[in-house]
Amino acid sequence: DVKVTQSSRYLVKRTGEKVFLECVQDMDHENMFWYRQDPGLGLRLIYFSYDVKMKEKGDIPEGYSVSREKKERFSLILESASTNQTSMYLCASSLRAGTSGGLRTNEQFFGPGTRLTVL
Amino acid sequence: AQSVTQLGSHVSVSEGALVLLRCNYSSSVPPYLFWYVQYPNQGLQLLLKYTSAATLVKGINGFEAEFKKSETSFHLTKPSAHMSDAAEYFCAVSVNTGNQFYFGTGTSLTVIP
Repeated sequence: DVKVTQSSRYLVKRTGEKVFLECVQDMDHENMFWYRQDPGLGLRLIYFSYDVKMKEKGDIPEGYSVSREKKERFSLILESASTNQTSMYLCASSLRAGTSGGLRTNEQFFGPGTRLTVL
Repeated sequence: AQSVTQLGSHVSVSEGALVLLRCNYSSSVPPYLFWYVQYPNQGLQLLLKYTSAATLVKGINGFEAEFKKSETSFHLTKPSAHMSDAAEYFCAVSVNTGNQFYFGTGTSLTVIP
């Protein structure tokens, strides 16, 4: 089974702190994603990475950065946390399109989420 | 542009009744479509996916969905609701590049005993 783990289930930080959210997958997936989930808004993509050291902005990258130094690990960084970043953060991974039976897309596997509260 | 619309942010059904969760998509190319389920305090789990093979797709836990191109829909159904089906359900579409998903805003399913 694919396993995607996130470093914390619950996190409480103060405004202005630098926050690191870590995600690790054990299935050698090329793609990794960070989403935030808010009531009524569904999942919104923050950043994704399709290879080591590669990153692409999603729909809401402002206030966030990412790092992917190793294939299995994708980190989300809040440089200076603000209260409007209080949210559930979900990490996901997938095989690169075309690598699984020729499908041009592959399902994403999700971690359990990190519920971040910024005070 | 690709997008997904889930009609009804909250749906309540009686135990044993039909479950119908609606999803409409917008895509300029043939889409791949997914339904995910999220139980409280957990991540998302894949229920089923449509990848241009059979239009009626069967998933886990007795759920199925039918791709209807003419209606741009991919509604999720289950003939008989169980208490354990209470969760949030998300529909997603993938774009032609294959790597990025667009999610709907979710439908919270309540099952009444």
